[in-house]
Amino acid sequence: GESVGLHLPTLSVQEGDNSIINCAYSNSASDYFIWYKQESGKGPQFIIDIRSNMDKRQGQRVTVLLNKTVKHLSLQIAATQPGDSAVYFCAEGGGADGLTFGKGTHLIIQP
Amino acid sequence: EPEVTQTPSHQVTQMGQEVILRCVPISNHLYFYWYRQILGQKVEFLVSFYNNEISEKSEIFDDQFSVERPDGSNFTLKIRSTKLEDSAMYFCASSPLAGGSTGELFFGEGSRLTVL
Repeated sequence: GESVGLHLPTLSVQEGDNSIINCAYSNSASDYFIWYKQESGKGPQFIIDIRSNMDKRQGQRVTVLLNKTVKHLSLQIAATQPGDSAVYFCAEGGGADGLTFGKGTHLIIQP
Repeated sequence: EPEVTQTPSHQVTQMGQEVILRCVPISNHLYFYWYRQILGQKVEFLVSFYNNEISEKSEIFDDQFSVERPDGSNFTLKIRSTKLEDSAMYFCASSPLAGGSTGELFFGEGSRLTVL
C-alpha cells in the first residue's frame, strides 16, 4: 500500500551544525507534504509545508526540499539549536482524512 | 495564541470500561480530528469530523469508537469498551480548512490513555 516513511530513526548533530532529515513517500499522486515537530510530551507542531508544484520552500532556519522524481522529501534545519531536539515527522496531506504521518526521526543535539 | 485543549491529560482505566476524551478545538476552526500515537510509534489518523458528521475514518476507528460535538465548543472521543491495545496518546486537532488543503492542523497536547 501507499505510505510515507522516514529513512533514519535517530539523527545526532552538533549544536550549530546543519541538520538534514529525510523522508520517502510512495504515493506518486501525493501533492502536498508537511513537516511536523513533536517535542517530548507534546502534540505535533507544524513547521513547514510544500506543494508538489514546488521543489523548495524556505522558512525561518528551515528549508524543505521536494524531489518528485525519486519521491523524496527533506527538511534542513540551519544552525541547529538545543531547542530543535525533537521527533520530526513528515506527513502527506490527505484531504478530509487529514494527514498520513511517517514514522518519525529523533533529532538529538550534541553540545 | 489560540490553542487546542484536551482533557484529561492522563487517564488510567480498566479493560472493558468506557472512556471519554474531551477536546476544545480552536474556536473558528471547522474541521476536527482525532489521532492516536502508541508509545514510540507514528501518529495515526482515527477520524475527521466536519459539519457535525464524520468525514472520514480509518480502519482503527471501529464500532467501539464514536465522536461527538455536543455543543459549539467541545469535541469528544468515546471508546465504549477499552482494550489493552487502546493504550496510547490521543491527539485532537483542528483546522480552519480541510487538512489536505493546507496541512496546518493544530494539535492539542494529547490525552494519555492507559488501559490495565
